[in-house]
Order: sequence, then C-alpha cells, then structure tokens
Amino acid sequence: AQSVAQPEDQVNVAEGNPLTVKCTYSVSGNPYLFWYVQYPNRGLQFLLKYITGDNLVKGSYGFEAEFNKSQTSFHLKKPSALVSDSALYFCAVRDKRLSERDDKIIFGKGTRLHILP
Amino acid sequence: GAGVSQSPRYKVTKRGQDVALRCDPISGHVSLYWYRQALGQGPEFLTYFNYEAQQDKSGLPNDRFSAERPEGSISTLTIQRTEQRDSAMYRCASSLDRLGNTIYFGEGSWLTVV
Repeated sequence: AQSVAQPEDQVNVAEGNPLTVKCTYSVSGNPYLFWYVQYPNRGLQFLLKYITGDNLVKGSYGFEAEFNKSQTSFHLKKPSALVSDSALYFCAVRDKRLSERDDKIIFGKGTRLHILP
Repeated sequence: GAGVSQSPRYKVTKRGQDVALRCDPISGHVSLYWYRQALGQGPEFLTYFNYEAQQDKSGLPNDRFSAERPEGSISTLTIQRTEQRDSAMYRCASSLDRLGNTIYFGEGSWLTVV
C-alpha cells in the first residue's frame, strides 16, 4: 500500500529566505505526487504535481518541488518566502501501478509553515 | 458546476441521529473521493468512486458509514447512529479521471455530534 511521510510538524522560516517542506513516499510502482496548501478556515488548494518527465516541477505562487526517485522524496521549495505563504501544506501520493480498485490518493499529516516577518 | 459543492457546510446533530452529507462534483469529473479531516491533520481517505461504481471503501471506519453515487454524479455520504467521535470535517473531491489528474476539493461539511 502507498504511504507518505512529512517528517516535520512545523517549519519556521524568515521572510525572504528560501524554504523547504519535506515529503517522502512509499509505493509499489511509480508515483503520482501532489502538494496541496490549506489556509486557515479554507479548503485544500492544489499547488503542483509530478506525473512524469522533468523531475523539477513548478507550481502556483512561486513554489516548486523536486522528484527524487532514489531518495523517494518530493520536497516542496520556494526561493524566497513570503509571510502570506504561512499555511498548512500537505503532500499526497497515488500509485501508478495499482489497479482501479486500489487507486486512492493518500495524504501526509501535514506541515505547518510559519514565515516570520 | 464551477467547483466541488458540498452541503450542508455545517451540521450539528444529536448522538444517535443519522446524517447525510452531499457532494456535487465538478461537471464531467469521473472520479469522486470522500475524506475526513481532523483539525490540523491530513485528509484521511474514506472511499472513492469511478462513475457510479464504488471502487474502494476500505477507509470507511465501520458499517455505520456508507456512500453512494447512483447516477455517477452527485454523491451522498451517510453516517447512521452518529457518535461524538464522528465529529470532523468531511471533504469531497473530484477529478477528471483516475490517472494523474489533479483532484479538486470542496469546502467541506463540518459535522458536530453533541
């Protein structure tokens, strides 16, 4: 069964500094990988996804993520953090190889990102 | 519709009552998912459908929970004989199909069992 781990409950970064939110995954085949963001009292918003091709994926609001197959990681990054980036971030995985009956998307427990002014 | 629509947005019910939560996915989306999310936690998978077929219900906590999507569009998640531990945000999501497509979430239904 597929699984995803976000090892950090919280990440604090000063405004203007680069940020990284970590994600590792486990699948039996090849993964589809996603990042979502949740602002306070709001729903989950899609940020970016890796399906195939270039390992560096660019998404909304200046975020990007790098797929690393050997390390089974898909860390979220941004070169220069903004206070408005403060939110809860979720990594998610779907296993490409599984049959239609096993085709669910599993989310990590989330990482709270605090950008300090 | 333009987005995934869920109703009711807020529901307070007494312990032991049945509740039905409705999800109207994005028009044309084949796949529909139900998740449960506790405060500050990640979405927990409950069940999902392709068209009207329920493909996986392994995440439903027990037999008080059921879901249907009879015409392959609107879905209903039903919780019978509610208990306080059922209190949570219930989120619905849909995607164009089951492949690498993005899943889009609704605003959720916040259930409180008193």
